[in-house]
Amino acid sequence: AAGVIQSPRHLIKEKRETATLKCYPIPRHDTVYWYQQGPGQDPQFLISFYEKMQSDKGSIPDRFSAQQFSDYHSELNMSSLELGDSALYFCASSPRNRGLNEQFFGPGTRLTVL
Amino acid sequence: GQNIDQPTEMTATEGAIVQINCTYQTSGFNGLFWYQQHAGEAPTFLSYNVLDGLEEKGRFSSFLSRSKGYSYLLLKELQMKDSASYLCAVRGYGQNFVFGPGTRLSVLP
Repeated sequence: AAGVIQSPRHLIKEKRETATLKCYPIPRHDTVYWYQQGPGQDPQFLISFYEKMQSDKGSIPDRFSAQQFSDYHSELNMSSLELGDSALYFCASSPRNRGLNEQFFGPGTRLTVL
Repeated sequence: GQNIDQPTEMTATEGAIVQINCTYQTSGFNGLFWYQQHAGEAPTFLSYNVLDGLEEKGRFSSFLSRSKGYSYLLLKELQMKDSASYLCAVRGYGQNFVFGPGTRLSVLP
C-alpha cells in the first residue's frame, strides 16, 4: 500500500540558510500535518492543512511557513535556520471524512543545522 | 492548557504483560491514540479510543476512562521487537494531536 512520502530524507544546512521540506500524502488523504521532533522529545505539532487551507496551527515559528497544493502535497519552508531547528520533521496524512482520523506518518526528514 | 503524562521508562521480560499508563488534561477531547515509535523512525498507529472501555487488537489492548482522563496500553506476550517508545496522543478541538512524552519500553530476554 502507498505510504506518506517525504523528501529529502536527510538535509544539512548552515545557520541562516533556508530549507524546504516536501510531503506527499497517501492518495485520497486530504489532510496533512507537520510535526517537529527533537532528540529524545515527543513530536510537537506545527501546522495542519485540510483541502489546501490551513486548519490548525501549533508551535510553528514565524520563520517557518507551509502550504498545501492542489495535488494535496505540502511543503514546509524554513528560513533563517537556527541550530535549534535541527530535528526530525514528520509529515502525517489522514482522510478527514473518516471518523477514526488516524494519522499515517511519513518516514521523516532529518534536518541538521550546522 | 494541554498536559499529557506517561512514565518515562519501563522494563519487562519477554513473554510477559506490561501496562503503560497515560493521564491527560486537554481542552476538548476527540479521541486518544497510541503510537509505537522505534528510534529514528516514524510513529506507527496502534490503537484508538473515543468512548470509555477496552479496545482489543491482537496482542495490544487500550483502555479509556474519559471521566478520569486516563488511558492505558496493554501489551501481551511481549516480544523483543516490542522494545520501542510508546506515545499517547490526544486529539482536542480541531484536528491537531498533542503527544505525550512517550514511554520507552525495554523488553529483556
